Amino acid sequence: AQTVTQSQPEMSVQEAETVTLSCTYDTSESDYYLFWYKQPPSRQMILVIRQEAYKQQNATENRFSVNFQKAAKSFSLKISDSQLGDAAMYFCAYMSPQGGSEKLVFGKGTKLTVNP
Amino acid sequence: DTGVSQDPRHKITKRGQNVTFRCDPISEHNRLYWYRQTLGQGPEFLTYFQNEAQLEKSRLLSDRFSAERPKGSFSTLEIQRTEQGDSAMYLCASSFLDGEEQYFGPGTRLTVT
Repeated sequence: AQTVTQSQPEMSVQEAETVTLSCTYDTSESDYYLFWYKQPPSRQMILVIRQEAYKQQNATENRFSVNFQKAAKSFSLKISDSQLGDAAMYFCAYMSPQGGSEKLVFGKGTKLTVNP
Repeated sequence: DTGVSQDPRHKITKRGQNVTFRCDPISEHNRLYWYRQTLGQGPEFLTYFQNEAQLEKSRLLSDRFSAERPKGSFSTLEIQRTEQGDSAMYLCASSFLDGEEQYFGPGTRLTVT
């Protein structure tokens, strides 16, 4: 079964600085998708960034970028110029439609604190 | 597009009672998912519909749980004979294509006393 591991339960960063959140996953599939979702306190989960495994180029979305290392099964999220609004739980997630499953498999999350 | 909505947002029930939650997906989305999230954990998959067909169920979905999506629109998740271990946030999500973003609703927080 596919698993997603986030080894950092909590991280903190100073406003305007850069922070990297780690994620590793285990799969035997060759075609899959990886996601980072953000869940602010008492608010709904929203997508931060998405990566297709067949694409070698790392995805970027404004201040958010990923370092996707397929051979190492690693998918880290870098947040640049951190803002107070970035404070949230961040979940790494995996999906492989191969075999007919479209479920997201989530890690346990990393709580990010942004200090002013 | 008003996003994914869920009702109720909070539900407190006594052990042994039945509860039903509703999810309204984004209108053009044919895929609908249910997840359960307990405190300090990531969401765990429960079940998935494509249109009205329930295509996948997790082993977490015991026989006390049932989900429907009549006519491929809204979905309901029913829990019969609730137990304290059912206390969690129940999240609904929808998407249009496989591999695309799943849009999440605000969740229904269930407390079983």
